[in-house]
Amino acid sequence: AQSVAQPEDQVNVAEGNPLTVKCTYSVSGNPYLFWYVQYPNRGLQFLLKYITGDNLVKGSYGFEAEFNKSQTSFHLKKPSALVSDSALYFCAVRDRGSTLGRLYFGRGTQLTVWP
Amino acid sequence: ETGVTQTPRHLVMGMTNKKSLKCEQHLGHNAMYWYKQSAKKPLELMFVYSLEERVENNSVPSRFSPECPNSSHLFLHLHTLQPEDSALYLCASSQDGGGRETGELFFGEGSRLTVL
Repeated sequence: AQSVAQPEDQVNVAEGNPLTVKCTYSVSGNPYLFWYVQYPNRGLQFLLKYITGDNLVKGSYGFEAEFNKSQTSFHLKKPSALVSDSALYFCAVRDRGSTLGRLYFGRGTQLTVWP
Repeated sequence: ETGVTQTPRHLVMGMTNKKSLKCEQHLGHNAMYWYKQSAKKPLELMFVYSLEERVENNSVPSRFSPECPNSSHLFLHLHTLQPEDSALYLCASSQDGGGRETGELFFGEGSRLTVL
């Protein structure tokens, strides 16, 4: 069975500091991995994905994520946080063997960047 | 036109009302999804349609009735709902199968439903 864990409900960082939002996953085969962001009263916006190749994936708004197969992790990172990065972040996994884009989401991590 | 459009954005209804949520995707995708997002709960996948056929129904109560008349449109018909059904309902689409899959889902802005 596929599952995603985001161990932190809340992450608080100061503007200009690096940020990390953690994600670990469990999937029966090789995964596709995704990060989405949600601003208040909005839908989910795609940030980045890992399909294959380089373990460090770069995405929108300066975000990047590192795929670590041995630790089954896909942590989201940004070198310098902005107040406008404050939002709800979701990690998601899809079984590579699935022909349908059924994603399994984590519970979400609320990121707050304070000035 | 944005990729996935949902209407209405906000809906308030009584428990005896019948209403519908509409979703339209302009991305040429062949799969569409309904998700439910409640406060402090994980995103719940409700229904999946692939090539206009329902391929997944995750134990959703019958008071929710989906309809997919073509690959661009998806509806969620609502009747005799309960207050606990109040939530943000998200529609998504993807391109799957046939070697054109990209993996990610594209979401609409959601319909905020309040059941009184």
